[in-house]
Amino acid sequence: EIVMTQSPATLSVSPGERATLSCRASQSINSNLAWYQQKPGQAPRLVIYGASTRATGIPARFSGSGSGTEFTLTISSLQSEDFAVYYCQQYNIWPLTFGGGIKVEIK
Amino acid sequence: QLQLQESGPGLVKPSETLSLTCTVSGGSISFSSYYWGWIRQPPGKGLEWIGNIYFSGSSYYNPSLKSRVTISVDTSMNQFSLRLSSVTAADTAVYYCARHQIRDLSLSGIDYWGQGSLVTVSS
Repeated sequence: EIVMTQSPATLSVSPGERATLSCRASQSINSNLAWYQQKPGQAPRLVIYGASTRATGIPARFSGSGSGTEFTLTISSLQSEDFAVYYCQQYNIWPLTFGGGIKVEIK
Repeated sequence: QLQLQESGPGLVKPSETLSLTCTVSGGSISFSSYYWGWIRQPPGKGLEWIGNIYFSGSSYYNPSLKSRVTISVDTSMNQFSLRLSSVTAADTAVYYCARHQIRDLSLSGIDYWGQGSLVTVSS
């Protein structure tokens, strides 16, 4: 099983600032990585797939990068609606696995 | 617009079987470009993948749950279902049904989620 490790657990950022979220895989997953955003009481929402492709309706301030074992989600200028928990997920091989999540909170 | 809706009991007794159904509307479950799956989230915790199924019936399960899980599909009803046997309090969670994209013959991200169904295991 591939273990996905996200850091930091909590990220405190001021509105308008840049946020950088990290995700590491225990072995290479090529570019088979997705990022999800989850707000309290809601289902997760797909933000990025293929490590760097924005999902439908996702603003351009969200960008993903990386391949192999190291991945990054960057939010260039945080808006109020971006404060949430973000999960990475690998779908390179079964079983599918998620990271533990990063909470992006208002500083 | 595609919609997924979970249904089933919100309370299950320990040692019994949890059963949930996901009804898909606004699109066919038989379309070849998707897997259908279940993910759960214990209160205040992260996401755990349970398993996926293709419309043909081929399925994949989380090894940690495999001995207790069955996912089935009913294309005539446009539904797929989850059964988890011998439940304990550790199985208390919000259970989401979801659609997994297939792109270029490979799995991709989860683009549609149900709203989630809280299942509590308690006597």
